Amino acid sequence: GAGVSQSPSNKVTEKGKDVELRCDPISGHTALYWYRQSLGQGLEFLIYFQGNSAPDKSGLPSDRFSAERTGGSVSTLTIQRTQQEDSAVYLCASSQVAGGGNEQYFGPGTRLTVT
Amino acid sequence: GENVEQHPSTLSVQEGDSAVIKCTYSDSASNYFPWYKQELGKGPQLIIDIRSNVGEKKDQRIAVTLNKTAKHFSLHITETQPEDSAVYFCAASLSGNTPLVFGKGTRLSVIA
Repeated sequence: GAGVSQSPSNKVTEKGKDVELRCDPISGHTALYWYRQSLGQGLEFLIYFQGNSAPDKSGLPSDRFSAERTGGSVSTLTIQRTQQEDSAVYLCASSQVAGGGNEQYFGPGTRLTVT
Repeated sequence: GENVEQHPSTLSVQEGDSAVIKCTYSDSASNYFPWYKQELGKGPQLIIDIRSNVGEKKDQRIAVTLNKTAKHFSLHITETQPEDSAVYFCAASLSGNTPLVFGKGTRLSVIA
């Protein structure tokens, strides 16, 4: 079946503008995660959704970052007043709750460049 | 919180040789350890995982071992092929749906 999809694949924005990134998880997956990958670095956790609620927002780097999930499916990550240090690849992953596993499947990412 | 260290950061092997990547973790409560392969311009792909009730798991040319006492786990790739060239990430977490904590990655180059 279809995997995790993300849009846009690339986004170039000017410093100070707001951006919105979208994630469509695998159908039936109730858990959804956002991670950030800076150039040459590992993956940094941002926020996690279980259904529409976010039990863990501990990774959001500042109050300029927010995320929501509606209908237990699509999620959007919003970055307000973007800064150059926000430039990174933003990755979304989803997993099933049932079975106790934690297999997370990633989308292709959105490459954000703040000029 | 959990901290995952991964070594080496880069690894070059001749085609047909084996490659080994090692990770250590700090939180003894972690019990799920996946490995991801990331090719250029793509998202990470889950290639194998292991849970703390198992010491070793194999899938064709790849295997993962786990030593809970020492808190380290390793990825072994045998008979490497050029298409194995990629960045590999280890991660650790609790089971259930919890965020993964990743190592910083190993860039594997398989030389034909």
